[in-house]
Amino acid sequence: EAQVTQNPRYLITVTGKKLTVTCSQNMNHEYMSWYRQDPGLGLRQIYYSMNVEVTDKGDVPEGYKVSRKEKRNFPLILESPSPNQTSLYFCASSLSQAHNEQFFGPGTRLTVL
Amino acid sequence: SQQGEEDPQALSIQEGENATMNCSYKTSINNLQWYRQNSGRGLVHLILIRSNEREKHSGRLRVTLDTSKKSSSLLITASRAADTASYFCATVKTSYDKVIFGPGTSLSVIP
Repeated sequence: EAQVTQNPRYLITVTGKKLTVTCSQNMNHEYMSWYRQDPGLGLRQIYYSMNVEVTDKGDVPEGYKVSRKEKRNFPLILESPSPNQTSLYFCASSLSQAHNEQFFGPGTRLTVL
Repeated sequence: SQQGEEDPQALSIQEGENATMNCSYKTSINNLQWYRQNSGRGLVHLILIRSNEREKHSGRLRVTLDTSKKSSSLLITASRAADTASYFCATVKTSYDKVIFGPGTSLSVIP
């Protein structure tokens, strides 16, 4: 089944404790992206990747890191999480570039205490 | 600032009625996409309309795009309770640009 998977689905952590949210897609998509969703603000793009070893900042990249060493994986790294990063995070992928239909993962609900 | 803004923020209708949501944006775009999100779940792509298109249909969905007014509308005909969800528009300026989502319209379809 074609899908985007994220892990973990739920995470409660404390300020400053490094964490990684994994994202994997099995559709051989070139484009992958991370979003955060907050009430009243819709989805805001954090980082995106056009292809392996190519990443670009979205609207809200501060406090996040990403890497794209393999086509299928696009982990989101929070080196020193803070409470304002408490949010619902979505990974998405599309065939190529941002032109195409994006397939979304199920989301990761992160709480930073 | 946000590229896309949906209107209304919330909409409540009876089953069988039509639902219309609007999206306005600020700069030129390559394409505009509509997504649906059921509560707390991932977004699902509904339809994509390119800047050189004016109208597209997909089942009970009809999307229009007016680039002169920088606006789009999503019409859901003969709504069903299962259409209850949040609907988001997303704009893409160029091939290599970021995707901008609006804050969404929350649709409630009452059986």
